[in-house]
Amino acid sequence: EPEVTQTPSHQVTQMGQEVILRCVPISNHLYFYWYRQILGQKVEFLVSFYNNEISEKSEIFDDQFSVERPDGSNFTLKIRSTKLEDSAMYFCASSEANQPQHFGDGTRLSIL
Amino acid sequence: QKEVEQDPGPLSVPEGAIVSLNCTYSNSAFQYFMWYRQYSRKGPELLMYTYSSGNKEDGRFTAQVDKSSKYISLFIRDSQPSDSATYLCAMIKSGGSNYKLTFGKGTLLTVNP
Repeated sequence: EPEVTQTPSHQVTQMGQEVILRCVPISNHLYFYWYRQILGQKVEFLVSFYNNEISEKSEIFDDQFSVERPDGSNFTLKIRSTKLEDSAMYFCASSEANQPQHFGDGTRLSIL
Repeated sequence: QKEVEQDPGPLSVPEGAIVSLNCTYSNSAFQYFMWYRQYSRKGPELLMYTYSSGNKEDGRFTAQVDKSSKYISLFIRDSQPSDSATYLCAMIKSGGSNYKLTFGKGTLLTVNP
């Protein structure tokens, strides 16, 4: 069964550094998402992406965040200058139109 | 009032028990409902997806939606130790081209052998 893959599984970064989280969505999916889950809290929507542009973003997704689909297979989330509070699990998801989303296993981001 | 409320548990049951998990929501714009299962250090895995009031069954799992009460449930029959996980309800509002999910906090379930 096709799946969403995310790399790396764990990223440790110094505060203030840039980090890029990578995702390979399911190949025929057209809608792409990033979610965040801080330890002990609910999964929160960050951003959705369709037709090479952001379709919606949450309040969390400020100017420090950006997303890109640099080629036909990858979908990335960049955090320009990381803060301690960015420490969380980051999940990528993808879907077809009007279909539920499928998630990757996440990247655990630890900011020191 | 939070948009989606889910009792975080934890819930502990013996093997073979029937498990009932529930979520309530406040916004009638939610029209699509999902249940995800999340094992430790893994991503959410889709279990059930429904968009209408009533019941939907898949093996040992039954999803129930009551839009008039803004209440959804997931029932697990003949629960197994392998069902031990966190169960997340999630929903999507109608009317847009974006399909972002709004999650409950998740209920931690342990099925004891």
